[in-house]
Amino acid sequence: ETGVTQTPRHLVMGMTNKKSLKCEQHLGHNAMYWYKQSAKKPLELMFVYNFKEQTENNSVPSRFSPECPNSSHLFLHLHTLQPEDSALYLCASSQERRTEAFFGQGTRLTVV
Amino acid sequence: GIQVEQSPPDLILQEGANSTLRCNFSDSVNNLQWFHQNPWGQLINLFYIPSGTKQNGRLSATTVATERYSLLYISSSQTTDSGVYFCAVVRSDMRFGAGTRLTVKP
Repeated sequence: ETGVTQTPRHLVMGMTNKKSLKCEQHLGHNAMYWYKQSAKKPLELMFVYNFKEQTENNSVPSRFSPECPNSSHLFLHLHTLQPEDSALYLCASSQERRTEAFFGQGTRLTVV
Repeated sequence: GIQVEQSPPDLILQEGANSTLRCNFSDSVNNLQWFHQNPWGQLINLFYIPSGTKQNGRLSATTVATERYSLLYISSSQTTDSGVYFCAVVRSDMRFGAGTRLTVKP
């Protein structure tokens, strides 16, 4: 248990569906992150939030839409995804940007 | 952006053997972490080690920031050590290497 919880753990969605991934941290951290891990690729940073403000968007397609309503919660809203978006999506948090990060268990997403 | 290279990409050991995993990075960094990814995908924190040496049981790590590398040592390996080991460095934000896949055979 790292103090970062992601739900759901597994998700299968069609290309026309809309779904959301949720991340919650109980560590009192101020920075939260979304990472994508595809087969045979290094983990890719998608979004960074610091004190609820988005500070980085690594050229992520608009079909991925993040939301950070407070410092403890982070969402990733998904719509009209493609099969190549199938991956493990990992959420992380840290006290501040650039300090030690802790990861959730991940959501394994399959787009059919 | 910063480049992170891990070696070897794959490593197969007999239980009880020792191993050294290496992480090279292309620029100065603010911090460095080692993670173990278990079969279910969870990244487990091993070390937060921007510089110096740390030890935790059978594992230890050394980062030489001036020479831009870090080493992870695993001694007396066990089958439960199997999985992928990632090095991640932070300059502006955290960037990961491609990982070393370790298989420990009984």
